[in-house]
Amino acid sequence: SQQGEEDPQALSIQEGENATMNCSYKTSINNLQWYRQNSGRGLVHLILIRSNEREKHSGRLRVTLDTSKKSSSLLITASRAADTASYFCATDATGANSKLTFGKGITLSVRP
Amino acid sequence: EPEVTQTPSHQVTQMGQEVILRCVPISNHLYFYWYRQILGQKVEFLVSFYNNEISEKSEIFDDQFSVERPDGSNFTLKIRSTKLEDSAMYFCASRGALGKLFFGSGTQLSVL
Repeated sequence: SQQGEEDPQALSIQEGENATMNCSYKTSINNLQWYRQNSGRGLVHLILIRSNEREKHSGRLRVTLDTSKKSSSLLITASRAADTASYFCATDATGANSKLTFGKGITLSVRP
Repeated sequence: EPEVTQTPSHQVTQMGQEVILRCVPISNHLYFYWYRQILGQKVEFLVSFYNNEISEKSEIFDDQFSVERPDGSNFTLKIRSTKLEDSAMYFCASRGALGKLFFGSGTQLSVL
């Protein structure tokens, strides 16, 4: 069964606006991670939130986790054109160096 | 910052041919992964590798696939007899402290 599912599938905003991306998952997790992928490139880790955490910040990024709803959100504040990329959530079921299961990703376009 | 390197960046092959995709994970990492991404679709887990053996594999990773760590630095994915549906971007990753994955830039495999 598919684990992480992001929504919306695509998001287009104006530079300076905030971008909110959501992820839902099905099974219990040890942690949830967000990655960014520029077109044709590898994925770059952005932020990790553990199952016992509810919110985490890193620069302009804010991630929340609601384990009761099995959902997470990634907020990018004051977006820039350079934030244009695909964003993926990934779940880690056990934390014991198991695989990460990725969603389909969200394509974010930030218009200058 | 240390990075995962993958070669080649592009590989074109005829259906039925064998291909070997190469990766050099980050040197002090112990867990290695192969993922693939068909154009515009989700990032799919293929296999994880630890201590010179496969620790987990997906349904995609059938008998046509194999992985090897032939020396202390390289980590390879071999596809014995390629099919058209093997065309995808293949990503190698290694796992660092705190559970985040470091991805290479990928090998775009085109099977004709």
